[in-house]
Amino acid sequence: KNEVEQSPQNLTAQEGEFITINCSYSVGISALHWLQQHPGGGIVSLFMLSSGKKKHGRLIATINIQEKHSSLHITASHPRDSAVYICAVSAGGATNKLIFGTGTLLAVQP
Amino acid sequence: DGGITQSPKYLFRKEGQNVTLSCEQNLNHDAMYWYRQDPGQGLRLIYYSQIVNDFQKGDIAEGYSVSREKKESFPLTVTSAQKNPTAFYLCASSSPGQGLYGYTFGSGTRLTVV
Repeated sequence: KNEVEQSPQNLTAQEGEFITINCSYSVGISALHWLQQHPGGGIVSLFMLSSGKKKHGRLIATINIQEKHSSLHITASHPRDSAVYICAVSAGGATNKLIFGTGTLLAVQP
Repeated sequence: DGGITQSPKYLFRKEGQNVTLSCEQNLNHDAMYWYRQDPGQGLRLIYYSQIVNDFQKGDIAEGYSVSREKKESFPLTVTSAQKNPTAFYLCASSSPGQGLYGYTFGSGTRLTVV
């Protein structure tokens, strides 16, 4: 079982829909990251969370530390939101390495 | 602007050859990381370095080597011993400022063995 699980693996939405991507983890963390990867491109950091909720434009990220669960929401989705969204956790400590989920491929159709 | 530069973006290598991927950062971050991404899998840690002249193996270090002679540079060599080198390689850096560890990612290098 992966230490970081995302759902769904694939998601197709119509433009304007509200989208939710979920992430569950089984290890202790110092922070949780939501990342965006466009086809053939590098990775952009969207959010880094250790508690509560963060909002940036149409993106909202929440985390529940007790339940070891995080969600990424996209409001009023647009075709340019089409990308792979990756959840990753940093265990902190000496190495601070990231443990990644396998990603959610989102396609927003016009 | 500060950031991480990876080069080249696309790289083709003949089987049996070594190849070096470049990663440079101007963020003054102490820690640097190399990850590998394969289709359907999460990124996996190859090597990391927390300080100049020191580095540690990650989860999949076999067939790879690194150096950290300068704070801003962390090149990765994919050797001929790596059985399946075709993948997307991502460099990252972090700094333990303000109690939370912020990460910055490069744009990646896609390596194809032909």
